[in-house]
Amino acid sequence: DAGVIQSPRHEVTEMGQEVTLRCKPISGHDYLFWYRQTMMRGLELLIYFNNNVPIDDSGMPEDRFSAKMPNASFSTLKIQPSEPRDSAVYFCASSWEDTQYFGPGTRLTVL
Amino acid sequence: EDQVTQSPEALRLQEGESSSLNCSYTVSGLRGLFWYRQDPGKGPEFLFTLYSAGEEKEKERLKATLTKKESFLHITAPKPEDSATYLCAVRGFGRGGGNKLTFGTGTQLKVEL
Repeated sequence: DAGVIQSPRHEVTEMGQEVTLRCKPISGHDYLFWYRQTMMRGLELLIYFNNNVPIDDSGMPEDRFSAKMPNASFSTLKIQPSEPRDSAVYFCASSWEDTQYFGPGTRLTVL
Repeated sequence: EDQVTQSPEALRLQEGESSSLNCSYTVSGLRGLFWYRQDPGKGPEFLFTLYSAGEEKEKERLKATLTKKESFLHITAPKPEDSATYLCAVRGFGRGGGNKLTFGTGTQLKVEL
C-alpha cells in the first residue's frame, strides 16, 4: 500500500484566502484523523471520523476550520479565511484498529 | 483530561552510548500507550503499542517498557540513524477518549559519531 497520501505537501497563501488540504487514507482503514503540529503546542488532534462520520471535532480551533469525508477514500480540511496563526504542519492519519498511520503532512504558511 | 509529559526535551548521545527516554502520563484508564519516531519533514512513524503495566516490546536497538505512571524507551548502543524526535501518546477510556490520542511534545535525540 502507498500509505496515507496528503496534498499539497506545501502551501503558501495570503491571509484571508481559503485553503483546502486533502487526504487519502490507507485502503480498508475505517478511522481518519486530522492533526496540527506546531513548535509551541506539539501535535494536536483537530477532528476524527469513523466510517466517514465525524466523531469528535472538539479540537477544531474555530468556525473557520471545517472537515469533510465524502467517502472512505477521501477527506478534506478547509480553512476559510486563513490567518497567519494557522501556519503549521497538518497531518492526516488513518487506522483500522489501534495503530494510527500518518501521512507526510502539509506545511501551511499563511502570510 | 489526559496528559503526557516527555523528558528530556533534547538528548545528545555518542554512538554506542545507551540511554533512556521518559514518558509520564495521566489518563482515565489506559487503553494504550504508543511510541512514534518522527524524522524532520516527515510524519510520525509507528514504533510500539503497550497496553498494561509490565509489558515490554523490542525492535532492533529500541525497547519500550510500561508502568502504571510512565513508559521508558531504552536505546541500546545507538547509531547516528537513530537520530530523530521520539513521540509518546496515550489513549484513555475517559470522556472523549474513543480513538483519540494525546501526544507529548517529544524528545529530540541526536546521536553523534
